[in-house]
Amino acid sequence: GEDVEQSLFLSVREGDSSVINCTYTDSSSTYLYWYKQEPGAGLQLLTYIFSNMDMKQDQRLTVLLNKKDKHLSLRIADTQTGDSAIYFCAESHTGNQFYFGTGTSLTVIP
Amino acid sequence: GAVVSQHPSWVICKSGTSVKIECRSLDFQATTMFWYRQFPKQSLMLMATSNEGSKATYEQGVEKDKFLINHASLTLSTLTVTSAHPEDSSFYICSATGALGNYGYTFGSGTRLTVV
Repeated sequence: GEDVEQSLFLSVREGDSSVINCTYTDSSSTYLYWYKQEPGAGLQLLTYIFSNMDMKQDQRLTVLLNKKDKHLSLRIADTQTGDSAIYFCAESHTGNQFYFGTGTSLTVIP
Repeated sequence: GAVVSQHPSWVICKSGTSVKIECRSLDFQATTMFWYRQFPKQSLMLMATSNEGSKATYEQGVEKDKFLINHASLTLSTLTVTSAHPEDSSFYICSATGALGNYGYTFGSGTRLTVV
């Protein structure tokens, strides 16, 4: 199946920017997503990007896509303690079925 | 719009018993539903895809006789974990999409299953 990889942990200080990285192997990926999961909760869609886009910005979130390198990143500006969670990237080429990364646990230090 | 309700949020059961988890689309017709499983500190793994009115398609390594999926209506899919064992303890999440495609939006809140 498709492989989606992320680093497992990231710590940042409150107010700094966080950058979470993701690589994938499926060159036919059409949609790429970022989800947030708080402890014991389901997934919350943060943002998504189509493969024909290079960048998408949504308030504090910036998604960058390097399709050639199959690299996706999520930048959170002015990171807050409430941003502490696990962040999953996911890819899909149908828009329905998703393959998830391993998740990155973000810890924000006050 | 596009809300998916999953029930129960958590359940504890004894080894050998069966547990049913429900996934409902509240304001749209879900032609396709997906069931995922998440082990602690690991990613979500797709277990099976179910289309309304037909048999579910299971991913490799998922026992279809153990994880029974029923998608009898356009708003409800159920996952039954049969003869549960402690190793089945996990977080189960469903997602649903309608005929027009809800791109990645509609996930349930998950069910924490603990088998004792």
